[in-house]
Amino acid sequence: GAGVSQTPSNKVTEKGKYVELRCDPISGHTALYWYRQSLGQGPEFLIYFQGTGAADDSGLPNDRFFAVRPEGSVSTLKIQRTERGDSAVYLCASSSRGGLGIQYFGAGTRLSVL
Amino acid sequence: GQQVMQIPQYQHVQEGEDFTTYCNSSTTLSNIQWYKQRPGGHPVFLIQLVKSGEVKKQKRLTFQFGEAKKNSSLHITATQTTDVGTYFCAGNPGGSNYKLTFGKGTLLTVNP
Repeated sequence: GAGVSQTPSNKVTEKGKYVELRCDPISGHTALYWYRQSLGQGPEFLIYFQGTGAADDSGLPNDRFFAVRPEGSVSTLKIQRTERGDSAVYLCASSSRGGLGIQYFGAGTRLSVL
Repeated sequence: GQQVMQIPQYQHVQEGEDFTTYCNSSTTLSNIQWYKQRPGGHPVFLIQLVKSGEVKKQKRLTFQFGEAKKNSSLHITATQTTDVGTYFCAGNPGGSNYKLTFGKGTLLTVNP
């Protein structure tokens, strides 16, 4: 696609519910990143995929968070038993290569946990 | 944990004035990247600096990477209202070859 696409753009859920956030990276980009951005903060690294594998998931805050990228393209970030503190904008970025290449960000999904 | 510090947190200027934001890391960075995020938008890549002492210019924007590769700055000459947004630096303090750590950003507002 022309850019990184994230859906939904907004998600409102209730505490305790399960949510899935989708990221469709730029076609051909092998590297994919998930970040979380809270108000007034910079993006915070969550997980990095190189191809289908999660090369580094050290930024995931706890085991309620999980992400997959089964075919090396689209990725889904999954959050179980959501908590109010999970409310934030979840950003996805892709890069044409691993390493410190340019990361192209999607518009993000704004998650609100009530 | 490893941090990239950025100052100031906020900066308000009159249109036409200059603006500078500074980025500091306690450890050496292999490179540093700068991003701009408009209000309500997402981070957009501006530039990447790799070499010690490197200086790059984009029209009214000047980016510098320190000699020790631990600090960087972004300077905007003669700000315009279109410059409004949050400017983030991002580096890899731990030497990671893929993970970026972002600063908290500097929010620039410009009074017309």
